Amino acid sequence: EAQVTQNPRYLITVTGKKLTVTCSQNMNHEYMSWYRQDPGLGLRQIYYSMNVEVTDKGDVPEGYKVSRKEKRNFPLILESPSPNQTSLYFCASSFTARDIQYFGAGTRLSVL
Amino acid sequence: GESVGLHLPTLSVQEGDNSIINCAYSNSASDYFIWYKQESGKGPQFIIDIRSNMDKRQGQRATVLLNKTVKHLSLQIAATQPGDSAVYFCADFSDSGGYQKVTFGTGTKLQVIP
Repeated sequence: EAQVTQNPRYLITVTGKKLTVTCSQNMNHEYMSWYRQDPGLGLRQIYYSMNVEVTDKGDVPEGYKVSRKEKRNFPLILESPSPNQTSLYFCASSFTARDIQYFGAGTRLSVL
Repeated sequence: GESVGLHLPTLSVQEGDNSIINCAYSNSASDYFIWYKQESGKGPQFIIDIRSNMDKRQGQRATVLLNKTVKHLSLQIAATQPGDSAVYFCADFSDSGGYQKVTFGTGTKLQVIP
């Protein structure tokens, strides 16, 4: 089944404790992206990757890191999480940026 | 700054009626537009898309209209069903100097009244 898989689905952590949210797709997509969703703000793009080893900042990259060592994986790293990073996070993938994106089920993160 | 926004945050529609959800975008360089549906507890799912060289695209029950002159996008859902209850997002794509940007609107909640 074609899908985008995010893990974990729920995460509660404390300020400053490094965490990684994994994202994997099995559709051989080149473009992958991370979004955060906050009430009243819709989805905002954090980082995107056009292909392996090619990443770029979206609208709200501060406090986040990404890597794209393999085509299928695009982990989101929070080196030192802060409470303002409490949010619902979505990973998405598509063949190209100008294409339909397929979204994961989301990761709800709470930073205390 | 550049943004994609919606006119109506919540829309209530009687089952069987047609729904119209509107979206205004501000980036004149945007050339690809998508409507997504997000059900509670799930990620957004594709409904319909349109490229800037088109004015209208029709799906099974969904139709998207694009007016580039006033930078307006609309989603029409025919014969709205209870399963259509969800939040709907418009998104646009632009490629400016190699920076490929996808911008989402804030969403419209569609409530279908049985």
